Amino acid sequence: NAGVTQTPKFRILKIGQSMTLQCTQDMNHNYMYWYRQDPGMGLKLIYYSVGAGITDKGEVPNGYNVSRSTTEDFPLRLELAAPSQTSVYFCASSYRSGPRFKETQYFGPGTRLLVL
Amino acid sequence: KNEVEQSPQNLTAQEGEFITINCSYSVGISALHWLQQHPGGGIVSLFMLSSGKKKHGRLIATINIQEKHSSLHITASHPRDSAVYICAVRFSTGNQFYFGTGTSLTVIP
Repeated sequence: NAGVTQTPKFRILKIGQSMTLQCTQDMNHNYMYWYRQDPGMGLKLIYYSVGAGITDKGEVPNGYNVSRSTTEDFPLRLELAAPSQTSVYFCASSYRSGPRFKETQYFGPGTRLLVL
Repeated sequence: KNEVEQSPQNLTAQEGEFITINCSYSVGISALHWLQQHPGGGIVSLFMLSSGKKKHGRLIATINIQEKHSSLHITASHPRDSAVYICAVRFSTGNQFYFGTGTSLTVIP
């Protein structure tokens, strides 16, 4: 299993440009998450999905969109890039069935995004 | 307010030392997660616990639900343990994890 894969690893965007961060998992997990990590700050949840076709906002959703058309893929879309979106983005997935404390998240390697 | 506090922020230890990293949270939780972030940026799960204590190799995680506090211990520390250790909690009332800012550990040979 490849686990959780993310592309690209690094990207520079100009203000106002758009891009999609790709995330794929091959573990048949039902839950998928997008986080951003800013220097000196904890990871913050942008969006999450509990299964194909179902998504919900996290703590910091503004400026982002997601879709989940398949179990495997959970892309994150930035429509109009702003310098405040400069960050490292992590995708994660987990399998939740039964007790919530048994859920373990598996993280992708991250995408470093710089908006200039 | 849902808060997760970690201490210390930075920690330097000599190889072989016993290390403790602390995590405190503000309200009741359903689960607590300890994660390790490598210098290259990758994040891996170490423990998920809701009560008591778990051990894996030289790592031990404990949680005290009444005191709203968890500790991560590393015995016989080694330079390869150098990483950022992150605590994350799922509060009882919610569906998502909230993360601490991490403890940066450096183990010197």
